[in-house]
Amino acid sequence: NAGVTQTPKFQVLKTGQSMTLQCAQDMNHNSMYWYRQDPGMGLRLIYYSASEGTTDKGEVPNGYNVSRLNKREFSLRLESAAPSQTSVYFCASSELGQINTEAFFGQGTRLTVV
Amino acid sequence: LAKTTQPISMDSYEGQEVNITCSHNNIATNDYITWYQQFPSQGPRFIIQGYKTKVTNEVASLFIPADRKSSTLSLPRVSLSDTAVYYCLVGEGDAGNMLTFGGGTRLMVKP
Repeated sequence: NAGVTQTPKFQVLKTGQSMTLQCAQDMNHNSMYWYRQDPGMGLRLIYYSASEGTTDKGEVPNGYNVSRLNKREFSLRLESAAPSQTSVYFCASSELGQINTEAFFGQGTRLTVV
Repeated sequence: LAKTTQPISMDSYEGQEVNITCSHNNIATNDYITWYQQFPSQGPRFIIQGYKTKVTNEVASLFIPADRKSSTLSLPRVSLSDTAVYYCLVGEGDAGNMLTFGGGTRLMVKP
């Protein structure tokens, strides 16, 4: 039971570089989410995808793009990384696009932008 | 959007019961209340969910009064391993499938 898998687990980028964070779930969930968590803070929603083929902005979408490649995969792209994007990024998924059901989280990607 | 308010932090001792209250004054009719637990360097983990009255599982109890404007997560006889951040979430209703977290309550359990 893999659940939600994120890659990579750690990454260091230079300012201005681009990268894509990968997320895959094996639970056949409709909804997927990307969050960022700064030190000592709560999670903030970047983008979410209610179902395959749809994506919507969350609370802090600026500087990010997402792709719902298929039902399993939801990627987050930083086109031009900035130090303010240093954070831990979490991907999550939930069933049937219903917020009233349990969401499962990956182990996170720790990103440092220097 | 249904906003939640929780205490920033709480301290307790091993063996005590801990109650964390969350305020959600503008909860919508169709919204559920969900609590998550997060340990350092890990993603959040679902604890319990409810709509009204009381819900209990093997980990916790959730008390929701009739007006549903608040809820209380109850952790019986906490141990050191219950030290974590606890988040209260309320469904976004017409906002669709957003799942937003507030700042959470940092629980410290002491020996």
